Amino acid sequence: DAEITQSPRHKITETGRQVTLACHQTWNHNNMFWYRQDLGHGLRLIHYSYGVQDTNKGEVSDGYSVSRSNTEDLPLTLESAASSQTSVYFCASSPDPTASTDTQYFGPGTRLTVL
Amino acid sequence: AQTVTQSQPEMSVQEAETVTLSCTYDTSESDYYLFWYKQPPSRQMILVIRQEAYKQQNATENRFSVNFQKAAKSFSLKISDSQLGDAAMYFCAYGSGNTGKLIFGQGTTLQVKP
Repeated sequence: DAEITQSPRHKITETGRQVTLACHQTWNHNNMFWYRQDLGHGLRLIHYSYGVQDTNKGEVSDGYSVSRSNTEDLPLTLESAASSQTSVYFCASSPDPTASTDTQYFGPGTRLTVL
Repeated sequence: AQTVTQSQPEMSVQEAETVTLSCTYDTSESDYYLFWYKQPPSRQMILVIRQEAYKQQNATENRFSVNFQKAAKSFSLKISDSQLGDAAMYFCAYGSGNTGKLIFGQGTTLQVKP
């Protein structure tokens, strides 16, 4: 069955280190999204992509970057991890190539702790 | 900018009873979608129900239904015959018809009492 996976599921790192969170989907969806979830804020959009070589900033993009070299993967990189980036990170994908509100399907999440 | 507000941080319901979770949103767009997602303790985000803004008919999925009031910008979720497995955090989300991006509310934690 097609699916969306994230790795690692849990990660502990130190302030200042570079961290990359992986997201892989086998649905061949064009659209991919990264969110962070914090208490009291719901999910907030970090970065998103509408296709290969396309990336866009979301509402909380500072300190994060993404790249899209193929359809299946959208890795999220924290260039220099900060304690404020301790959070649960979700990847999602949706199929509609026109980005006109197709349903997003979510990965299982990665809990990141920055010490 | 679009916003989504869930004014009930916590709700509780007796098993087999009905509960309604509230959600309001603000937008100037005419093309949009609305969603309810469920997040159980496993953390997995599960789509519960989806409503297209251009449709007047309220969406229904088994025990889950919505009351979509477009003029009032209100989108509530009704859970009938509540089950213990319904206990979770529920998120209301707005999907832009222009960008496909989702904007989430803060979530409502639902407790189901046996």
